[in-house]
Amino acid sequence: DGGITQSPKYLFRKEGQNVTLSCEQNLNHDAMYWYRQDPGQGLRLIYYSQIVNDFQKGDIAEGYSVSREKKESFPLTVTSAQKNPTAFYLCASKGTGIHEQFFGPGTRLTVL
Amino acid sequence: GQQVMQIPQYQHVQEGEDFTTYCNSSTTLSNIQWYKQRPGGHPVFLIQLVKSGEVKKQKRLTFQFGEAKKNSSLHITATQTTDVGTYFCAGPAGTASKLTFGTGTRLQVTL
Repeated sequence: DGGITQSPKYLFRKEGQNVTLSCEQNLNHDAMYWYRQDPGQGLRLIYYSQIVNDFQKGDIAEGYSVSREKKESFPLTVTSAQKNPTAFYLCASKGTGIHEQFFGPGTRLTVL
Repeated sequence: GQQVMQIPQYQHVQEGEDFTTYCNSSTTLSNIQWYKQRPGGHPVFLIQLVKSGEVKKQKRLTFQFGEAKKNSSLHITATQTTDVGTYFCAGPAGTASKLTFGTGTRLQVTL
């Protein structure tokens, strides 16, 4: 099956801990994205990557970091510097010449 | 920066009633996309509109792109409970295949 996987579905962490969210795709897409969604809100772009070993900050990158060492993988680290990390995190990918973004199932992060 | 607003924020209808959500961009868009997110789920692409004044239909859903390419609408005829979810519009944000998503309209349908 082709698609995007995110793990885990639910994640709980204590305040002050860094946490890494996984995003893997086997669609052979070059571009990958991380979004944050708060209850009743739209999607806000955290980071995106157009190609391996390259990524750019989105609108709300502070307190987050990413890496893109492989085409298939785009992990997001939520650092202790992120003041309000509790949210629903969505990963997406897009192929070259394709206009739509494909989303993973999301990870719901709760920081206690 | 670019802003994309949607109204209404929430609408509750009886099954069989029609529903419309409106999307307005602060800048002219080269195209506009629509996504649907079911409760607890992830956004799923519905359609892309490119031409000024374009109208596209998918069964009971009608999508329209404004003449000035700054607004769009999604109209659902005779809603069903399967239409429940949040509908987002999204427009290109500069280069690099980024999208700016609208604020979303949450639709609730009851029998």
